[in-house]
Amino acid sequence: DAMVIQNPRYQVTQFGKPVTLSCSQTLNHNVMYWYQQKSSQAPKLLFHYYDKDFNNEADTPDNFQSRRPNTSFCFLDIRSPGLGDAAMYLCATSRDRARAPETQYFGPGTRLLVL
Amino acid sequence: KQEVTQIPAALSVPEGENLVLNCSFTDSAIYNLQWFRQDPGKGLTSLLLIQSSQREQTSGRLNASLDKSSGRSTLYIAASQPGDSATYLCAVGAYSGAGSYQLTFGKGTKLSVIP
Repeated sequence: DAMVIQNPRYQVTQFGKPVTLSCSQTLNHNVMYWYQQKSSQAPKLLFHYYDKDFNNEADTPDNFQSRRPNTSFCFLDIRSPGLGDAAMYLCATSRDRARAPETQYFGPGTRLLVL
Repeated sequence: KQEVTQIPAALSVPEGENLVLNCSFTDSAIYNLQWFRQDPGKGLTSLLLIQSSQREQTSGRLNASLDKSSGRSTLYIAASQPGDSATYLCAVGAYSGAGSYQLTFGKGTKLSVIP
């Protein structure tokens, strides 16, 4: 089945130790998104790729970076995780604008714990 | 900047009751509106998608309405079941200046259906 896959599902890292979360999709969608969701909060968009074009949200900390080496994969890099970065990280995809109706397809998420 | 509010934040009902979840948004220039379900520690599952030109959508026991001019949507759940217990998130879809479809989420309503 076509889907959005996130690995790992749970990630434990140490304060200040770089960590990478991965997302892959078999939907061949143009757009890939990364959201951060803290407990009982709304998912917050960090950035997204429209094909190879990177679009950063204005309030996303510099500590968060992303890479999209090809259509199928997108990575979230946290350069120096702090305790406040512990959260669920959600990856999503969507199709090109020309093909409505628009929606986003979400992966299962990666829960990050910072010790 | 779009803001999405969901009321109530939590709701507890006995099994079999009909219930309504509310969502309001501040900017009526939307492309569509979606309702998602999120189980504890999991990703998001899309329930219903309403285009901006539509008034409502139905899927099984779920009915979502949209009043774009007043910035409101409701999710009606008929004959609630314990399996409906989850957090329900409302998200407003629009196109960004970069041409990508983006969602703005509310914080969700946590529903508990008591057997």
